[in-house]
Amino acid sequence: GAVVSQHPSWVICKSGTSVKIECRSLDFQATTMFWYRQFPKQSLMLMATSNEGSKATYEQGVEKDKFLINHASLTLSTLTVTSAHPEDSSFYICSGTDGLAGYNEQFFGPGTRLTVL
Amino acid sequence: GQNIDQPTEMTATEGAIVQINCTYQTSGFNGLFWYQQHAGEAPTFLSYNVLDGLEEKGRFSSFLSRSKGYSYLLLKELQMKDSASYLCAVKDSNYQLIWGAGTKLIIKP
Repeated sequence: GAVVSQHPSWVICKSGTSVKIECRSLDFQATTMFWYRQFPKQSLMLMATSNEGSKATYEQGVEKDKFLINHASLTLSTLTVTSAHPEDSSFYICSGTDGLAGYNEQFFGPGTRLTVL
Repeated sequence: GQNIDQPTEMTATEGAIVQINCTYQTSGFNGLFWYQQHAGEAPTFLSYNVLDGLEEKGRFSSFLSRSKGYSYLLLKELQMKDSASYLCAVKDSNYQLIWGAGTKLIIKP
């Protein structure tokens, strides 16, 4: 199957700092990428959907100025958590889908665990 | 509103069979997915149903009834490594995935 990588796999930062998470599709062109957040023992919560070269579409309740998403190429999307606070501590997962090939399946990255002190 | 219901937790015995149900109410339907997620890891794809009926893939099978808004995931010959959460997700009329809260499956020896 298609492979998606995320970097870093975990990060600890101080409150008020910004953290950037990279999501890469290694062997396919991800025309659409999704960013999810998952709190302990809860299901995935979609944060935003981004198509290559255009602005991300954010879900209701997700602050677009706090969670900056860039999808500049067909293989790379980044999520920047700006001015992180302890309540932003969570498991962030990206996924990609190859819309050009008509695939329905989303391929998930391994996730990034963010801890804000 | 859109809603997907799955049991919160199930327990089964190693070597047995377990069926995890999922009912959905969404604005439109463009397919139903089952994903497996081990604790602390990202979900991995298990199955995709868009037409009514049973899809079999090794020890795992998935069934769909669109008229009833119902699906189940059947796991046979359970192994300890099958202990995980199983997520049901439906793609709605806007092709957006709506996720269930997941079913935590506990396998006992």
